[in-house]
Amino acid sequence: DQQVKQNSPSLSVQEGRISILNCDYTNSMFDYFLWYKKYPAEGPTFLISISSIKDKNEDGRFTVFLNKSAKHLSLHIVPSQPGDSAVYFCAANFGNEKLTFGTGTRLTIIP
Amino acid sequence: NAGVMQNPRHLVRRRGQEARLRCSPMKGHSHVYWYRQLPEEGLKFMVYLQKENIIDESGMPKERFSAEFPKEGPSILRIQQVVRGDSAAYFCASKMGGSTDEQYFGPGTRLTVT
Repeated sequence: DQQVKQNSPSLSVQEGRISILNCDYTNSMFDYFLWYKKYPAEGPTFLISISSIKDKNEDGRFTVFLNKSAKHLSLHIVPSQPGDSAVYFCAANFGNEKLTFGTGTRLTIIP
Repeated sequence: NAGVMQNPRHLVRRRGQEARLRCSPMKGHSHVYWYRQLPEEGLKFMVYLQKENIIDESGMPKERFSAEFPKEGPSILRIQQVVRGDSAAYFCASKMGGSTDEQYFGPGTRLTVT
C-alpha cells in the first residue's frame, strides 16, 4: 500500500522557469512533510519541510504548499537552475519517527 | 561537523554470506534510522534505534536481518545468509531528537549479492 505517491516519474523544465513537483498521500494521520533531493550514488539531502498546521513554507527558491483537505503537497522551485536536476522525494510522518517516502520524481532542467 | 558516515560504500557478497553495514551518525545525534531502496523504488523504512535500544523494527524482515546501536561505536545493520533479493542501496539517517527534527542521510551502502 503506497501511502505517499508521486505520480510523475519524470519532469523536464526549461532553465529559469518554475518547476512544480507534486505529491499525494492517503494517510490522514501524517502531520509532517518533507522534501528531499537525491543525486545518483549519494544519500538524500533535506530540502524543506512543512508541518500540518501550516499551508505554506518558503526557503529561498523553494516553496512547499500543503492542501490538507486534498491530501496533496507540492514543491515549487523558481527559478529553476541546472544544478536542480536530481530525483526529488516527498516524505511524511506522524510522530512515530519513521519517514514514509514516495517513489520519486526525476527533474531535468534544460539549459 | 562531519555528516552521517556509512561504510563500506560498496559491498559485494555471494549468496549465503553475511553482510555488515556500518553507520556513524552526525555528532550529537542519538537517533538512527535504516532505510532500503530497491531499484526504481523509493526508500522504505526498516528500523529505528536509539543508543542500546531498538525503538521500531516494523520495516525489517523477521529473519536474517538484525540491527544494533551500541553505547559506543557505530550502528550496525547485519544481514545473514544474503540472497539476490537483498541487493539494494541501504541508507542510514540520523537526527538529534524531537518528532519534527529533520533526518540527515548518509551516502548509502550499495549491496550486491552475486
